[in-house]
Amino acid sequence: QSVLTQPPSASGTPGQRVTISCSGSSSNIGSNTVNWYQQLPGTAPKLLIYTNSQRPSGVPDRFSGSKSGTSASLAISGLQSEDEADYSCATWDDSLNGQVFGGGTKLTVL
Amino acid sequence: EVQLVESGGGLVKPGGSLRLSCVVSGFTFNNAWMSWVRQAPGKGLEWVGRIKSKTDGGTTDYAAPVKGRFTISRDDSKNTLHLQLNSLKTEDTAVYYCTTDLGYDYQRRWGQGTVVTVSS
Repeated sequence: QSVLTQPPSASGTPGQRVTISCSGSSSNIGSNTVNWYQQLPGTAPKLLIYTNSQRPSGVPDRFSGSKSGTSASLAISGLQSEDEADYSCATWDDSLNGQVFGGGTKLTVL
Repeated sequence: EVQLVESGGGLVKPGGSLRLSCVVSGFTFNNAWMSWVRQAPGKGLEWVGRIKSKTDGGTTDYAAPVKGRFTISRDDSKNTLHLQLNSLKTEDTAVYYCTTDLGYDYQRRWGQGTVVTVSS
């Protein structure tokens, strides 16, 4: 059972906009910034969004992040087939004194 | 080019030990806070622990499931991060990733992972 809650799956057709939610509590998302990672099949995770909404260089602006209270969201617009991957959120938890992850959301491009 | 290369994974029996290493290049290792993250087969990512830079105290933090069994250390002279895994359990079976720490550079850099299988 992950500390952060994500839907296990999401889907969309090419060109659509998809959002993935990440729910936490006051000791984690409520107090700290959120990262999002993309993990293509058989590969290591890649940082997609940091500090709630910032994109590392090289990440397309189709990917955007937001945070409100104890929840965060990842939005992918103009969905492409290469976006099919697992997406995970993460942040620091002040009560656990450790990093916590969501369980991951498998995105399928139909 | 930034590289994090893990090694040391393998098959070990329950109760056994293993030592993982991560050799880093392309950035100033001795300034970096480093973490280990694992992923059990078909499961999500799980933070294992971290070590701060020596200038920031060199202290370690661990996730509850591994505290007292796993030890993170660093050899700045060799740009190498280690993870000593003791008293291994079947539930420790996972791919273990070496990463830069969330509090250092937003966990921007990841290795390719090394597989640890705990089975009799």
